[in-house]
Amino acid sequence: ETGVTQSPTHLIKTRGQQVTLRCSSQSGHNTVSWYQQALGQGPQFIFQYYREEENGRGNFPPRFSGLQFPNYSSELNVNALELDDSALYLCASSLLGGEQFFGPGTRLTVL
Amino acid sequence: AQTVTQSQPEMSVQEAETVTLSCTYDTSESDYYLFWYKQPPSRQMILVIRQEAYKQQNATENRFSVNFQKAAKSFSLKISDSQLGDAAMYFCAYTYGGATNKLIFGTGTLLAVQP
Repeated sequence: ETGVTQSPTHLIKTRGQQVTLRCSSQSGHNTVSWYQQALGQGPQFIFQYYREEENGRGNFPPRFSGLQFPNYSSELNVNALELDDSALYLCASSLLGGEQFFGPGTRLTVL
Repeated sequence: AQTVTQSQPEMSVQEAETVTLSCTYDTSESDYYLFWYKQPPSRQMILVIRQEAYKQQNATENRFSVNFQKAAKSFSLKISDSQLGDAAMYFCAYTYGGATNKLIFGTGTLLAVQP
């Protein structure tokens, strides 16, 4: 059984650029949730995808968007990057309403 | 609004000793779930223990146990016989379920284990 994987591990971008982060869910899971973890903080819920549809969203602006594919993998896209977007981005896969299993995260640095 | 508060930014414990990490939360829901997650330097969030609010019995997983006080909205984690591998950031988290089962995290407690 393959666990949750994320790519890339690290990423450096400049202000105003766009970025795409990827997450492969654990086998058998149909739901992916994305969290942003700023330095020294706990993770904050960005949004969740269930069967390719957005299933809930946290307090993040529309420039944070996502996709889920038929194989339940997911992408997080962030447009017009700001310095405050620098953070660890975690994805978690699950069955809907079930225990969330986290990936190792992508560290995004915005210069 | 649902919030989770961890008032201990850092804790330290001697190997083989016992340590307790504190967590309080605020919610108007009657049915919810509470969790402790461990985040080592590898960054991967690992579930340590979970507690269903409707269960009066405190959850236990090997050396890890919780003290769940529903009326006080308190949920502390006790680590017994601490090991060097327990050193990590520990996050308390809450979810009431709902449509997304989204997790609400505290700010974390960094636990150091001294040999």
